[in-house]
Amino acid sequence: GNSVTQMEGPVTLSEEAFLTINCTYTATGYPSLFWYVQYPGEGLQLLLKATKADDKGSNKGFEATYRKETTSFHLEKGSVQVSDSAVYFCALLHQGGSEKLVFGKGTKLTVNP
Amino acid sequence: DTAVSQTPKYLVTQMGNDKSIKCEQNLGHDTMYWYKQDSKKFLKIMFSYNNKELIINETVPNRFSPKSPDKAHLNLHINSLELGDSAVYFCASSQEYGPDTQYFGPGTRLTVL
Repeated sequence: GNSVTQMEGPVTLSEEAFLTINCTYTATGYPSLFWYVQYPGEGLQLLLKATKADDKGSNKGFEATYRKETTSFHLEKGSVQVSDSAVYFCALLHQGGSEKLVFGKGTKLTVNP
Repeated sequence: DTAVSQTPKYLVTQMGNDKSIKCEQNLGHDTMYWYKQDSKKFLKIMFSYNNKELIINETVPNRFSPKSPDKAHLNLHINSLELGDSAVYFCASSQEYGPDTQYFGPGTRLTVL
C-alpha cells in the first residue's frame, strides 16, 4: 500500500540555520506530494505541493522537489526563523485510486533564537 | 472568514457518553473528510464524503457515524465513548474528489475520562 516515511524528530536548530526534513514515499503510479505544517495549537495548513516528477513546490522560503527516481520529497529552508517552530507532515495523495491523503508521522521542529 | 470551522474546539466527557463534533466549510467544496490525530501526532483518515455521499470509511468502529446534511457540513457523532477515542479530530475539505488540495479545520481535542 501507499506509505510515507519522514525523519523522526524532534529537530532543534538555531535561528538562521539550514533545515532539511527528509521524506520518502512508497506508492504505485504517480501520487501528488504535499508538505503540511501544524503550528502549536492550530490545525494543519498546506505549506507546498508538487503534482508530478521534477516539480518544485515552494512557499515562505521552504522548498521541496518531487524526485521520482529516489521517491523522495525532502523539505528544505535556507534560513529558519523562530516562527517556523511547528510540526511538519509529509503526505501523498494517490491519483486514480483511493483518493485519500496518507501522512507521515510528522517531524517536530524547534527553532531557538 | 474561517474557511473550515469545527465546534467545539475542546470536548471533555465521560466514558460511555455520546457526543457530536460539527464541521462546516464555506469554500463551496464538494468533498469533506474527518481525520484522527493520536497522541503521537499521527494523522489518519476516517471518512470522506463527496456530495453528501460516503466515499471512504477506513475501518472505523461503528460507534463513529458521520452525517452530511448538505455539502457544506459533515458532522461526526460518536456513541459509547471509550478512553481510546481521546485524540484531536480534524475536519477537511477539497474542491472535488480526487488529487486536490485539502483544507483543514482547527481541530477538536476530545478527552474521554
